[in-house]
Amino acid sequence: EVQLLESGGGLVQPGGSLRLSCAASAFTFSSYAMSWVRQAPGKGLECVSGISGSGGSTYYADSVKGRFTVSRDNSRNTVFLQMNSLRAEDTAVYYCAKDRTFSPRGPDYWGQGTLVTVSS
Amino acid sequence: QSALTQPASVSGSPGQSITISCTGTSSDVGGYNFVSWYQQHPGKAPKVMIYDVSYRPSGVSNRFSGSKSGNTASLTISGLQAEDEADYYCSSYTSTSAPGVFGTGTKVTVL
Repeated sequence: EVQLLESGGGLVQPGGSLRLSCAASAFTFSSYAMSWVRQAPGKGLECVSGISGSGGSTYYADSVKGRFTVSRDNSRNTVFLQMNSLRAEDTAVYYCAKDRTFSPRGPDYWGQGTLVTVSS
Repeated sequence: QSALTQPASVSGSPGQSITISCTGTSSDVGGYNFVSWYQQHPGKAPKVMIYDVSYRPSGVSNRFSGSKSGNTASLTISGLQAEDEADYYCSSYTSTSAPGVFGTGTKVTVL
């Protein structure tokens, strides 16, 4: 069964940085795009970043462009989200999600999420 | 990258059918057949119910169906059951630089 396990969340001050990781198992990792989707407390879903199966193409929402960087290590079946210059509005549960295809077309499996809190 | 528009809430009695709409633009919903629908229960991760407009993943009840017309996609739940009470989100591929765009979400209440 597909498993996605996020880690790296926590409390960080405004302007700080965090690196999220997502370890994947039970599928051919390099064949699928991966996405990071966040959900602020009591709010809806927002797709903040995505990366193609090879890592050659990356995608960002305008709200995080220039501050967040997505990457993947296909030898370790892991995708990362480096978050810099964090703001209070970045506070959310961050989900790692596996796409159905090599390029982002819509997730089919989701991790359980990791909470990021940006506060002084 | 504006969110797709969904009604905030939809309700129905057990056994009834309800439909949730998802309105976008020609840059997302109207331009591509990559619309998905997700169910999310409180405190849980989303679960895909429909992908590519109208396809059901293995294990999803056939009471769930999807369709699209122009810039609006729809999710229909027939034979409404108590376990269907949850939040539902649509999503679409988008021609912008974003990896995808989600709808505003719809809370389904079973009366």
